[in-house]
Amino acid sequence: QLQLQESGPGLVKPSETLSLTCTVSGGSISRSNYYWGWIRQPPGKGLDWIGIIFHSGSTYYNPSLKSRVTTSVDTSKNQFSLRLSSVTAADTAVYFCARLECSSSSCWYFYGMDVWGQGTTVTVSS
Amino acid sequence: DIQMTQSPSSLSASVGDRVTITCRASQSISSYLNWYQQKPGKAPKLLIYAASSLQSGVPSRFSGSGSGTDFTLTISSLQPEDFATYYCQQSHSVPIAFGQGTRLEIK
Repeated sequence: QLQLQESGPGLVKPSETLSLTCTVSGGSISRSNYYWGWIRQPPGKGLDWIGIIFHSGSTYYNPSLKSRVTTSVDTSKNQFSLRLSSVTAADTAVYFCARLECSSSSCWYFYGMDVWGQGTTVTVSS
Repeated sequence: DIQMTQSPSSLSASVGDRVTITCRASQSISSYLNWYQQKPGKAPKLLIYAASSLQSGVPSRFSGSGSGTDFTLTISSLQPEDFATYYCQQSHSVPIAFGQGTRLEIK
């Protein structure tokens, strides 16, 4: 059974870079019909889509974060990662990784995010 | 970018009630609409994908309908474990967007 697990520092200082990794187990990150994504949820608020990455490295980002976000994939380790630079208190949130299914082999459209990590809390504070 | 608007933002209901939550997209998304359930401290759980397809393992009391810009999630007979927050999500185009959520509470 596919499982995702987020890891990384729980505390980041303002203006520094937040770095998280999602480890995929029970299946290959290189499967052709799936993107891998990051979503966050500030305390007491709704879900905020950050971005997605394909095993080839193709990426899509939320325009509101695009200037600060970088994602990468390491197929040898079955992991993908998120880096968010110049963080402020507004970036304090629970960060989730998830799998997003393509609706076809072309991946023009998508179905839902069917497998999620448990989430990791990141606090931005000095 | 496509905006998603859910209504109501909160809802009180009793066990056994039939409940409907609506979601509207700012432009047509065909049937690329998904519904999630989230309980406190947990990751969201996919309930419905492609507007009306039930995710494996999800009880049949959950159903979805709609296409274009207007969608609904219906719970036919509320169970105690259904009290949670529900989110819609469009996956027609990037940036993928969630609705603001509907909190379903016990009356």
